[in-house]
Amino acid sequence: KQEVTQIPAALSVPEGENLVLNCSFTDSAIYNLQWFRQDPGKGLTSLLLIQSSQREQTSGRLNASLDKSSGRSTLYIAASQPGDSATYLCAVDNNNDMRFGAGTRLTVKP
Amino acid sequence: NAGVTQTPKFRVLKTGQSMTLLCAQDMNHEYMYWYRQDPGMGLRLIHYSVGEGTTAKGEVPDGYNVSRLKKQNFLLGLESAAPSQTSVYFCASSYSWLAGNNEQFFGPGTRLTVL
Repeated sequence: KQEVTQIPAALSVPEGENLVLNCSFTDSAIYNLQWFRQDPGKGLTSLLLIQSSQREQTSGRLNASLDKSSGRSTLYIAASQPGDSATYLCAVDNNNDMRFGAGTRLTVKP
Repeated sequence: NAGVTQTPKFRVLKTGQSMTLLCAQDMNHEYMYWYRQDPGMGLRLIHYSVGEGTTAKGEVPDGYNVSRLKKQNFLLGLESAAPSQTSVYFCASSYSWLAGNNEQFFGPGTRLTVL
């Protein structure tokens, strides 16, 4: 059974800092991994999707990497802003069996 | 494009009552999903559908039924609600897993409380 873990559960940083969020998974036979952002009381917004054959994806200040063999993914946020404050979730796809981590709650202080 | 919409946004039920949650998408997506999200936990997949007329069980299907009579709609039913089904329910859709890019798009959620 696939298990997805996100560490840390919460993170607080000053504005402008670069930061890394971690996601680990137990079964490396994944088809893709997706990072989402969730604002309080809202749905999930897709940030980046990395297919199993890819090593990383970039979108603006966000960069996600994937190392299937070690069961790890990282989401790098450059020059953080208060508007980045949200919960970040990673999800892995094992043949349409989607498993989510519990998320990292990020607070960026002005 | 409205994307993925869910109705209702909030609902309070008594134990034993039934209800149906409606999910609609206007992106012509083949795949649709129902998740529940509980405090401190990630989302868990309840049921999903890979196309009109098809459904499949996810990680936590017990106590729920689904139907996909039209491509754009995915219904989640609770026949006899229980307090353990108090949760926030999210619907999602994606173009096609076979396309190799199963990016999922989520609705705003339905907050359900069962007393």
